[in-house]
Formats: sequence, structure tokens, C-alpha cells
Amino acid sequence: QVQLVQSGAEVKKPGSSVKVSCKASGGTFSTYTISWVRQAPGQGLEWMGRIIPILDTANYAQKFQDRVTIIADKSTSTVYMELSTLRSEDTAVYYCAREYEGVVFGVVTNWFDPWGQGTLVTVSS
Amino acid sequence: QSVLTQPPSASGTPGQRVTIFCSGSSSNIGSNTVSWYQQLPGTAPKLLIYSDNQRPSGVPDRFSGSKSGTSASLAISGLQSEDEADYSCAAWDDSLNGPVFGGGTKLTVL
Repeated sequence: QVQLVQSGAEVKKPGSSVKVSCKASGGTFSTYTISWVRQAPGQGLEWMGRIIPILDTANYAQKFQDRVTIIADKSTSTVYMELSTLRSEDTAVYYCAREYEGVVFGVVTNWFDPWGQGTLVTVSS
Repeated sequence: QSVLTQPPSASGTPGQRVTIFCSGSSSNIGSNTVSWYQQLPGTAPKLLIYSDNQRPSGVPDRFSGSKSGTSASLAISGLQSEDEADYSCAAWDDSLNGPVFGGGTKLTVL
């Protein structure tokens, strides 16, 4: 049973960066796909990007491509998400989640399970 | 603005059947499968339905999913007070080359 435990809440100034960690236990870490999804106050969920540790390959949503970096440390089964040039609109709860994805006859089946507990990032001057 | 469209709220009384809808387009729901998540107040999302209509182990059979064309729905039968939560849909989007979510529907059990 995979479990994901995230680092604690952060308060950051506009223009700075934040790095959130997500430590996995259970299963074979390097074969997972781990995604980051954020939720601004009162808003819906928003996918930011993913990494497949065994391939050391990360993909990012176009909206965040210039500001987000996702890396994996296979030695500690931990994935990190760093978001730079923070602005007030980045205030949100950031979740990591294991992503399942498959393609059958061109149909993409994709879901997230389990999720980390979430990390609140507050951007304020 | 979320790519997938959900009504912001829904409600029902205990024992009732409630359906939550999720509308998309040919590049997401129309082409790929849908998943649903339950988010109790102050907690992380929890997977309820994947591949349009499959329930993970541990999810009661009161929850069911279906899809038609570019819309999907989540039905909750025998509504209980503990079902009061936010429910979100998701699907892969071929145009954006990534997963997209609905804005969430807050379910109130009256």
C-alpha cells in the first residue's frame, strides 16, 4: 500500500521560491508516476506536472512550464516540487499523488491514487 | 476557470439518490476515461471512481459512475450525512496533453 507524506506548511514572499517534498513508502518507488496538483482557496484542482523516477523524466503543464521543477531522489523515495517567482495567486494547497495512466486503443485512462495530505503554501508580503 | 464544468453545488436528503454531472469536450471526456474524487472538508482528495465506472476496493457500491459522449456523471444512492463533501471529476485532455479537472461540486446533505 503506497503512502505519500508531504512536508509542512510554508509562508513565502512574492518573487521567492518554494520547495515541497513528498516521501513515498510501500511499493516500488522508481516505477511510480508522481504528479503534483494544487488547489487555490475555493477553487478546483489543477495539475502542475509529473515525474517518473525510473526514467528521470518530468512533464509539466504548459501554464507552469517556466516556473516549476519536479525532481525525484530514488535513494530516499522522495519527490520534490519547486515553484519559483511566487506570486499571491500561487497561494494554495499543493498535493502530490500517484498517477496511473494507460492507453488502450488510443483511449487514455488516467487517475490519481493515493494522495499526500497536502501542503499549504501562502505567498504574502 | 476549470476545463471540465461542474455545477458548484448539489443537495439531497438522507436516503435519496443524487447525481453530479461533469461536462467536457471531444478532447477530454469525449476521448478518454473519467475519474471522480471525494474531498471531505479540510482533507485531501480520495479516488472514488476510475475508468468511467470502476470502483476501487473499499468504495461503497452506493457510488457509481457513467459517461455519455462528452459528459460524465457520478451517482450517489442511499445518501448519508457522511457523503457531504466536494466531488471533482477529471480526465486526460489530448489537446493540453495532461489531466484536467472540474471545478468541484459541493454536496450538502439536508
